[in-house]
Amino acid sequence: DTEVTQTPKHLVMGMTNKKSLKCEQHMGHRAMYWYKQKAKKPPELMFVYSYEKLSINESVPSRFSPECPNSSLLNLHLHALQPEDSALYLCASSQDPDRGYQPQHFGDGTRLSIL
Amino acid sequence: AQSVSQHNHHVILSEAASLELGCNYSYGGTVNLFWYVQYPGQHLQLLLKYFSGDPLVKGIKGFEAEFIKSKFSFNLRKPSVQWSDTAEYFCAVNADTGFQKLVFGTGTRLLVSP
Repeated sequence: DTEVTQTPKHLVMGMTNKKSLKCEQHMGHRAMYWYKQKAKKPPELMFVYSYEKLSINESVPSRFSPECPNSSLLNLHLHALQPEDSALYLCASSQDPDRGYQPQHFGDGTRLSIL
Repeated sequence: AQSVSQHNHHVILSEAASLELGCNYSYGGTVNLFWYVQYPGQHLQLLLKYFSGDPLVKGIKGFEAEFIKSKFSFNLRKPSVQWSDTAEYFCAVNADTGFQKLVFGTGTRLLVSP
């Protein structure tokens, strides 16, 4: 089992809905990440939080809004999504944002479907 | 911008065959290199990593990888695969331009037949 917990595991929403994805880790990691993974494709980085501050936004549309309320939690708020946003959304964490040799630990993901 | 190439998209092997999956990256500076595995229905797991020292690194489940700086390569190997190695394998790199940005290769789907 992974030490990064993501909820919900599956989410179906309409294009006008507002929903949130949640991610939690209790390993004391200070870097947390959101990735998007389309079918048969590699994960693509969306956002990085370093010490609870947003450090990287990979030009993600504003309909995706990340939030890091504390060092253990990471949210991704969704609003007015498009069908092409259907994908597996992965959360990851790593111990020290400044030490790139430390591996990222991944959650199981939330499979999102936009109707 | 850095990029990662995995030339083998699909590999089919019989049990006990040897495995080598290719990974090349395009960045001339300091890099950290990783291989992750994604078993069917499971999360991405770290197989092994390289950041300095001995270029031959050993990971979990009998996997190893060799960093060849002159070839910008980090190939994954296993002498004898098992049916349970059926999974998707991703090479990933981060670079000293921004260690937080992990770039993944396109992945290799390995199918091991019993």
